[in-house]
Amino acid sequence: EAGVAQSPRYKIIEKRQSVAFWCNPISGHATLYWYQQILGQGPKLLIQFQNNGVVDDSQLPKDRFSAERLKGVDSTLKIQPAKLEDSAVYLCASSLGTSGLNEQYFGPGTRLTVT
Amino acid sequence: DQQVKQNSPSLSVQEGRISILNCDYTNSMFDYFLWYKKYPAEGPTFLISISSIKDKNEDGRFTVFLNKSAKHLSLHIVPSQPGDSAVYFCAARTTGNTPLVFGKGTRLSVIA
Repeated sequence: EAGVAQSPRYKIIEKRQSVAFWCNPISGHATLYWYQQILGQGPKLLIQFQNNGVVDDSQLPKDRFSAERLKGVDSTLKIQPAKLEDSAVYLCASSLGTSGLNEQYFGPGTRLTVT
Repeated sequence: DQQVKQNSPSLSVQEGRISILNCDYTNSMFDYFLWYKKYPAEGPTFLISISSIKDKNEDGRFTVFLNKSAKHLSLHIVPSQPGDSAVYFCAARTTGNTPLVFGKGTRLSVIA
């Protein structure tokens, strides 16, 4: 079974530029999550999708971050414009069902550096 | 306000001995707890979980203990192996499909 795929793996941009990350979840997984992990911290949920609907985006800075999950499969996360404090690893995860007890499978992450 | 705390940033243990990783939480509504393991340049991998109705869950070399009155859980790895060297994250959630809240992680080094 293929795991969660993410691209790019690394990205360096200047502040005020835009960037987009892509995630392909495990086939058949209904729920998709985007996390932000700042160095020295644990992952923090940004947004959770169930199929192509948003379940929770309460911690997403909506003035600069946006995410979509078209057709309930792949997802993109965009930052526009980026700030220095957005430097972090962005992790995508997916789970099979909608129950909170379903295990989340994480991708390798995209490391973003904003200079 | 950090709801899940891992107060030890790092831990070194000799191969074959027991590793004990600790986690404290403040939210009494948490009812499901998980441990994730993370190698460099990889995403976290689920290790073991425990529901609040239990006080112990065991899976091979890994055992998680939950003390609800103290709002404390621990992960025991015995015997520790060099391949266990990684960052371990404690996570918790409330009832339902709610977000996981992660601690900052503990870096475990198992020395051969």
